[in-house]
Amino acid sequence: DQQVKQNSPSLSVQEGRISILNCDYTNSMFDYFLWYKKYPAEGPTFLISISSIKDKNEDGRFTVFLNKSAKHLSLHIVPSQPGDSAVYFCAASEGSNAGNMLTFGGGTRLMVKP
Amino acid sequence: NAGVTQTPKFQVLKTGQSMTLQCAQDMNHNSMYWYRQDPGMGLRLIYYSASEGTTDKGEVPNGYNVSRLNKREFSLRLESAAPSQTSVYFCASRFGGVEQPQHFGDGTRLSIL
Repeated sequence: DQQVKQNSPSLSVQEGRISILNCDYTNSMFDYFLWYKKYPAEGPTFLISISSIKDKNEDGRFTVFLNKSAKHLSLHIVPSQPGDSAVYFCAASEGSNAGNMLTFGGGTRLMVKP
Repeated sequence: NAGVTQTPKFQVLKTGQSMTLQCAQDMNHNSMYWYRQDPGMGLRLIYYSASEGTTDKGEVPNGYNVSRLNKREFSLRLESAAPSQTSVYFCASRFGGVEQPQHFGDGTRLSIL
């Protein structure tokens, strides 16, 4: 049973508009969340993260929102650019686990149209 | 800066053959990880090494073994490859706690016929 789910396999957005990628989790012990971006034939690269003690974290065009009561997080990209076209993975971690293992969602493919 | 280097990039095996995937990092990271990525499944953890000298099972360890050769190197071995192990394999490393993001290699695409 997947503990981290990204229910939208793909998302298409016009350049300059907002992209919203969503992620849901079931494990209430998760206390740290990350978003990774992946281009074809490359490894995932870290984008932004958020601790469970916060509900928002912003870095330039990227903002992550966390709703602990709903066990939901989202990544907002404003404005979207064609170079943002990639697969986005959300990931979660329990702070207490040895090795700080990450549990990943299945990914959302974002396509930003010029 | 090489970061995390994986070899080979591509490999085709026959069922029953053995193979070792190599991973090396030059960032002096303590923890290293092996994942597999399958369509729609995201990345699933196979094995990890929290520090030099230790290894532990992840979510999908069956059919694999690992060796943390030294602080830099973490290898993944398939003793008897099966078609279900056809996947893209990623190695990652991290310096410290969860606040430090994992850094990934570019992957090994493995096909087993």
